[in-house]
Formats: sequence, C-alpha cells, structure tokens
Amino acid sequence: DAGVIQSPRHEVTEMGQEVTLRCKPISGHDYLFWYRQTMMRGLELLIYFNNNVPIDDSGMPEDRFSAKMPNASFSTLKIQPSEPRDSAVYFCASSLAGDEEGEKLFFGSGTQLSVL
Amino acid sequence: AQKVTQAQTEISVVEKEDVTLDCVYETRDTTYYLFWYKQPPSGELVFLIRRNSFDEQNEISGRYSWNFQKSTSSFNFTITASQVVDSAVYFCALSEGTSTASKLTFGTGTRLQVTL
Repeated sequence: DAGVIQSPRHEVTEMGQEVTLRCKPISGHDYLFWYRQTMMRGLELLIYFNNNVPIDDSGMPEDRFSAKMPNASFSTLKIQPSEPRDSAVYFCASSLAGDEEGEKLFFGSGTQLSVL
Repeated sequence: AQKVTQAQTEISVVEKEDVTLDCVYETRDTTYYLFWYKQPPSGELVFLIRRNSFDEQNEISGRYSWNFQKSTSSFNFTITASQVVDSAVYFCALSEGTSTASKLTFGTGTRLQVTL
C-alpha cells in the first residue's frame, strides 16, 4: 500500500492567496483527519470525516479554512485568503474502524506551508 | 476535556544510555487508547504503539518498552541502549471516546537527541 499521500510537500504563497492542500487516504480507510502542526500549538486536529462526511470541524480556526471530501479517495483543505499565521505543517491521516488496525492513524508526510 | 502532558521538552543522552520519556494524561472516559508516535527529522509521523485502557500490561518491542499505569494516569516510554537513529520528537497521544475514530489529542512532544 502506498500509504497516505499528500501534495504538495511544500507550498510557499503570498498573503491573500488561496491555498489548496490535497490528500489521498489509504484505500479502504473510512476515517480521514486533517491536523496542523506549529511550534506554538503543537499538533491540532482541524477536522475529520467518516465515510466522506464531516463529523467534527470544531478545530477549524476560522471561516477562511474549509475542507471537503468528495469521495473516499480524495480530500482537500483550502485556505482562502491565506495569512502568515497559517504557516505550519499540515498533516492528513486516515484510519480504518472496527478491526485490529482500528484506532491506529496512518499519517501522510505533511505539507509545509509558508505564507509570506 | 482530554489532555496529554509531556513535561520533558528536550532530552539529550549519549548513545547506549537508557532514556525514559514521560507522558501523563487526563480523561473522563473509561475506555480510551493511548499512543506513541515518533517524528524523525524528515517530518513524518510514525506510529509506535497503541494501548487500550483495559490492558495495563507493559509491552516490550526490541529496545522499546512502555509502562502503562492507570493509577497514575501515565504511559511512559523507555528506550534501552539508545542509538543516534532514535533522535526524533516523540509524541504521546490519547484517543477520545469509545468510538473507533482515531480522534487524537497529542502532547507537545519530547525532543530526544542522542549523540555519540
């Protein structure tokens, strides 16, 4: 299995621009999570989906952030407009409920976002 | 609310020394999972172990061992005979609720530096 695939690995953009981060979860996994990692706040859960449906978006910082999961193999996290304080590493992770591997999160390699 | 505390921000040891990383958690759930993840300099998050709240048996995997003590709400991680490749940031995490969703609350991490 290829694991969780995120793109791009690095993104540099200017304040005010729209940024779209992409994620392909592990095939067959029914949960998908977006986490953000910063020095100040550590790893924070932004939003998670179950069977493509958003379950909890209480961690999304503000309306500038939105996430979608149009199908079981693809999710996006969009920031519009971006601000310098959005600079962070964004991780996507997936898991499969109900079996031995349940509760075990598989993380992608992350997207390093820099907003200038 | 769930909380994970990793009081040690940074630890430096010389290769072959043993080192213990502390993790203390808070939760009102009676059923929960505890995890350790490793984040090497390359940035990805690597799963190390998952324990459920009903299983207090200590676990050993090669040079790694984990001590789960419900009475003190601790889940400590020991590396025996540390190696330079163990240098990384280590995160302790706690799952929320009894569902199989891996909605994790992470500690702030402990940076381990192993030198020759």
